[in-house]
Amino acid sequence: QQQVKQSPQSLIVQKGGISIINCAYENTAFDYFPWYQQFPGKGPALLIAIRPDVSEKKEGRFTISFNKSAKQFSLHIMDSQPGDSATYFCAASMDQAGTALIFGKGTTLSVSS
Amino acid sequence: DAGITQSPRHKVTETGTPVTLRCHQTENHRYMYWYRQDPGHGLRLIHYSYGVKDTDKGEVSDGYSVSRSKTEDFLLTLESATSSQTSVYFCAISEFGLHEQYFGPGTRLTVT
Repeated sequence: QQQVKQSPQSLIVQKGGISIINCAYENTAFDYFPWYQQFPGKGPALLIAIRPDVSEKKEGRFTISFNKSAKQFSLHIMDSQPGDSATYFCAASMDQAGTALIFGKGTTLSVSS
Repeated sequence: DAGITQSPRHKVTETGTPVTLRCHQTENHRYMYWYRQDPGHGLRLIHYSYGVKDTDKGEVSDGYSVSRSKTEDFLLTLESATSSQTSVYFCAISEFGLHEQYFGPGTRLTVT
């Protein structure tokens, strides 16, 4: 199976709070896990990515946590801001150039001020 | 948008007509991809190219064809558009040996 399951479908967080989005995958051959951020009317923008040789990667307020044995990974947005309000997609692919990204169905995040 | 342009940005067409969408990149990246985005489905790969005149099918390739005659251009053709092909189409590029894919601004296609 090539699925990537993402939850929740939508998320409302107060300004300054922590936003957490979870993804699970089935194909153990996957070894590249990016997160994309998409604003309305725009293309997805690569936010942060992780490979399974590490369990966590942090870039600014964004952190990916990776659990290889559970085949799960998550995005944490610390100190969430109204400007973070967007749709977030997790994805997975195999470690071969040119392979397709398999996307989750997306999470719409709203950060209230 | 990483030196990627898509044209047209919006198009309305009738069922049964042929439609061609264009993706143009200025990054000289080897790999180019076409995805479609539909509510509740995320993004799904239609076709991709790994070099000039080298293409392969993705998950949802039925009803679509592609061509790449130059490194910078990747065309997606709907031979006979159907209402089920109403979608937002995104082009993406990646460099040889790297997995990071960068997306264009998208084309919103409506088939009536």
